[in-house]
Amino acid sequence: DTGVSQDPRHKITKRGQNVTFRCDPISEHNRLYWYRQTLGQGPEFLTYFQNEAQLEKSRLLSDRFSAERPKGSFSTLEIQRTEQGDSAMYLCASSLYNLEQFFGPGTRLTVL
Amino acid sequence: AQKITQTQPGMFVQEKEAVTLDCTYDTSDPSYGLFWYKQPSSGEMIFLIYQGSYDQQNATEGRYSLNFQKARKSANLVISASQLGDSAMYFCAMREGSNYQLIWGAGTKLIIKP
Repeated sequence: DTGVSQDPRHKITKRGQNVTFRCDPISEHNRLYWYRQTLGQGPEFLTYFQNEAQLEKSRLLSDRFSAERPKGSFSTLEIQRTEQGDSAMYLCASSLYNLEQFFGPGTRLTVL
Repeated sequence: AQKITQTQPGMFVQEKEAVTLDCTYDTSDPSYGLFWYKQPSSGEMIFLIYQGSYDQQNATEGRYSLNFQKARKSANLVISASQLGDSAMYFCAMREGSNYQLIWGAGTKLIIKP
């Protein structure tokens, strides 16, 4: 049984570039969540999928952010025209319905 | 107003001692769930324990127990017989009603001294 995986683990990019992160949830989990975590803080909710439907986006998520879960399995989070303020750890989690969320190792983004 | 408050930014504890990490919460929803997660320096968020608002008994999972005091709106995590590997950030989180997102506290950095 594999847990939640995320790719890449680290990403360094220049301001203005686009980046895309991938999350593979636990296979039987129907819910998938994206969070962002900055140093010294708890995670902040970004968006949530139930199967392939994106049911909620946080106000934190600007128009430069988009997420997809095309077949209800893996998900991608894209950030366009990255800014230095986007530097953070991006965490993906999955759950079976409303049970506990299991997290991946995260993708650490550094925008230069 | 903060929904989840963790008042201890950092704690030092001697190995093998018990440790209590504080968490208070604020909600008007009668149905809610409280979670504790551990985040080692590697970054992965590890689920530890869950307490539902209607659960009659305090949750326990191995060396972890949750001291749930509903009237005081507190859900403290107790780690018995602490180990060096317990050194990490610990986060308290809440889910309200049928909401799916977790609301997180700022965390407590726990360091276990040998």
